[in-house]
Amino acid sequence: DAKTTQPTSMDCAEGRAANLPCNHSTISGNEYVYWYRQIHSQGPQYIIHGLKNNETNEMASLIITEDRKSSTLILPHATLRDTAVYYCIGPPSGSARQLTFGSGTQLTVLP
Amino acid sequence: KAGVTQTPRYLIKTRGQQVTLSCSPISGHRSVSWYQQTPGQGLQFLFEYFSETQRNKGNFPGRFSGRQFSNSRSEMNVSTLELGDSALYLCASSLDLSYNSPLHFGNGTRLTVT
Repeated sequence: DAKTTQPTSMDCAEGRAANLPCNHSTISGNEYVYWYRQIHSQGPQYIIHGLKNNETNEMASLIITEDRKSSTLILPHATLRDTAVYYCIGPPSGSARQLTFGSGTQLTVLP
Repeated sequence: KAGVTQTPRYLIKTRGQQVTLSCSPISGHRSVSWYQQTPGQGLQFLFEYFSETQRNKGNFPGRFSGRQFSNSRSEMNVSTLELGDSALYLCASSLDLSYNSPLHFGNGTRLTVT
């Protein structure tokens, strides 16, 4: 499995952009980087994924470095509802697409 | 578009009983996966189905089983429940089996075994 490293926790002021970094130095050239988040007692929520190019959807933007060893998830205007644990994960293992979540980053959006 | 629906949301069972959990995937999604999530073990893969066929199975005992129907809906069954089976059981659906096809999770069934 591609190993990812994320900060344990981050704070962000409401209305400001939240930038969550992730290192995935062992990821291979054809492996996607996925971001999920989980709010306590709810199921994980898919946010965005990418391979090489930067990606944007209605929830967030994903910036992947040219060497693909790291990425940054950007929530452009964080709200209190964005408080959650954010997981950056490499590709699912083997052929089973078995997701494995690491410790993730606890993002706290402050009013 | 409706998300992944899991029923029931909460279940309380006693040791030795069996339980069936249900999952309705997002419309058009043909792959369904099941995961167990506990504070101690984190997210653990149970099995994955595609077109009514089990494609892969995680490292769980045979008491855990599942199936997928022709409409892609899925059920998982746990027989002879043990206290350690208490967990949040999550179902996730995806369009297909490609790595470019994200998994979308339901909010889970919280199973408590007493």
